[in-house]
Amino acid sequence: EAGVTQSPTHLIKTRGQQATLRCSPISGHTSVYWYQQALGLGLQFLLWYDEGEERNRGNFPPRFSGRQFPNYSSELNVNALELEDSALYLCASSVGQGPHRIQPQHFGDGTRLSIL
Amino acid sequence: DQQVKQNSPSLSVQEGRISILNCDYTNSMFDYFLWYKKYPAEGPTFLISISSIKDKNEDGRFTVFLNKSAKHLSLHIVPSQPGDSAVYFCAASAYAGANSKLTFGKGITLSVRP
Repeated sequence: EAGVTQSPTHLIKTRGQQATLRCSPISGHTSVYWYQQALGLGLQFLLWYDEGEERNRGNFPPRFSGRQFPNYSSELNVNALELEDSALYLCASSVGQGPHRIQPQHFGDGTRLSIL
Repeated sequence: DQQVKQNSPSLSVQEGRISILNCDYTNSMFDYFLWYKKYPAEGPTFLISISSIKDKNEDGRFTVFLNKSAKHLSLHIVPSQPGDSAVYFCAASAYAGANSKLTFGKGITLSVRP
């Protein structure tokens, strides 16, 4: 079974540009989560999508946005990039909400975003 | 305000001995706890979880203990192996209200000496 896949592995941008990160969940998983791991910090929750809807977002500005497609894959978009956006962006997936809602999240290997 | 705390940044143990990794939390709404292991250049790998209705969960060499009154959980690895050397993250979630986000600690670097 394929795990969570993320692309690209590395992304280099300059200040003010826009970045798009992509994530494909494990087959059968309908929930996708995005986390940011900046240098020296733990993983910070960004966004949660389930069944195509944004269900929750963390304490990040609106220039962080995303969407989930009908095949449950997801995009994270970061507009007006700032130097402090340099971080590892991790995507995770899990079985969606419902009777089996208490299920662990499984992570991809991340996209390393560097802002010059 | 850090709701999940892993106060020891690192731990070193001898191969074959027990590794005990600790985690404290402050949010009494948390009802599901997980441990993840992370190697460099890889994403976190799920290890073991525990629901707040239990106080112990075991999976092979890994056992997680939960003390709700103390808001404390620990991960025991017995016996420790060199391949266990990694960063270990404790995470918690509050499922009441269908809030599925995980709140992570900052991680503990475990080194297992041969």
